[in-house]
Amino acid sequence: DVKVTQSSRYLVKRTGEKVFLECVQDMDHENMFWYRQDPGLGLRLIYFSYDVKMKEKGDIPEGYSVSREKKERFSLILESASTNQTSMYLCASTDPPFNEKLFFGSGTQLSVL
Amino acid sequence: AQSVTQLGSHVSVSEGALVLLRCNYSSSVPPYLFWYVQYPNQGLQLLLKYTTGATLVKGINGFEAEFKKSETSFHLTKPSAHMSDAAEYFCAVLHYNTGNQFYFGTGTSLTVIP
Repeated sequence: DVKVTQSSRYLVKRTGEKVFLECVQDMDHENMFWYRQDPGLGLRLIYFSYDVKMKEKGDIPEGYSVSREKKERFSLILESASTNQTSMYLCASTDPPFNEKLFFGSGTQLSVL
Repeated sequence: AQSVTQLGSHVSVSEGALVLLRCNYSSSVPPYLFWYVQYPNQGLQLLLKYTTGATLVKGINGFEAEFKKSETSFHLTKPSAHMSDAAEYFCAVLHYNTGNQFYFGTGTSLTVIP
């Protein structure tokens, strides 16, 4: 069965901390995405990647960066966490060649205090 | 920018009643259209999709949706609601000419009343 795994289900951090959210997929997908999900706002794209060491900004990249050193792993980094980054973070990947279906991880609920 | 509008952030139906979740998109070029479902404490999973061909598409768990170009709509329906259908539903569009990005609606929370 295909799988997108996010390392933590719940995470609590302090304001100003550097936070790493990890995502691993076992499907050899080229495309990986990070979304944040907030009530009433749906899913908003933070960053995505089409290949190793490649990254593109989504709609809300401010305050975030990403790293993709290996094809299967896509990390989201909060350089200095702030309370307005408290949210549910969802990682996803798509299947080639048409990239029409997103496979999602189960999400990381991040609370920044 | 692409836009997806889901009318009604919360919908309640009785068990056995018709489920209708509304989705409209704004685009001059028909996009690919999707419905995703999110059960509590889980990620999203694909319910159904429209790319080309027949405008009425069937998905998992008895759901279906119809693409209506003239109305720029892709409403989700199920003839008879089941308790297990209670979840959050997201409509999404994909435009290849905007960098393979999916754009999601704000979601509709479906409650099924026994």
